[in-house]
Amino acid sequence: NAGVMQNPRHLVRRRGQEARLRCSPMKGHSHVYWYRQLPEEGLKFMVYLQKENIIDESGMPKERFSAEFPKEGPSILRIQQVVRGDSAAYFCASSRLGDEQFFGPGTRLTVL
Amino acid sequence: AQSVSQHNHHVILSEAASLELGCNYSYGGTVNLFWYVQYPGQHLQLLLKYFSGDPLVKGIKGFEAEFIKSKFSFNLRKPSVQWSDTAEYFCAVNSGGGADGLTFGKGTHLIIQP
Repeated sequence: NAGVMQNPRHLVRRRGQEARLRCSPMKGHSHVYWYRQLPEEGLKFMVYLQKENIIDESGMPKERFSAEFPKEGPSILRIQQVVRGDSAAYFCASSRLGDEQFFGPGTRLTVL
Repeated sequence: AQSVSQHNHHVILSEAASLELGCNYSYGGTVNLFWYVQYPGQHLQLLLKYFSGDPLVKGIKGFEAEFIKSKFSFNLRKPSVQWSDTAEYFCAVNSGGGADGLTFGKGTHLIIQP
């Protein structure tokens, strides 16, 4: 049973470009979570989604960030017009029943 | 709002020493508590979790944690550490039925010297 998959593992963008991060949950999991880890900080919750629905986006920045989890395909975290402060590791987690969360390897975003 | 505090950011121990990593949380309602570990070059893995019942929870690799409600604490322990326990350890909490996003502490970097 494959774990949570994230791609790309490393992403480099210039200021003003768009970043798209993908997360494929474990088989049978319908709950997806996104977290961000800034240097020297712990993981910060961003958004919680179930298929086609955003359940909790209380940790998402109000502008430039969006997330989706379509009926088919991976969950996408989209960052528009990236700035240097967006450089971080972005982790996705999934769960089957909304209890134990299994984490992916993360995407390390670097904004030049 | 929830918050999690991990007291020690860096801990260095010798093999066979006993380990206790502190974790305190701030939240007035029912909580679920977790310890995750991140070995070098790997992703986060669940060590143990507490939802309800016996406050002494046993996890993988000989780790255990005790939930003390009156102290808002969930400290992680291991009686005898090994070199392979070198990793980053994160305490986390969420509320309700367990489906909410997790609030993490900043982590403790544990180094075990052979």
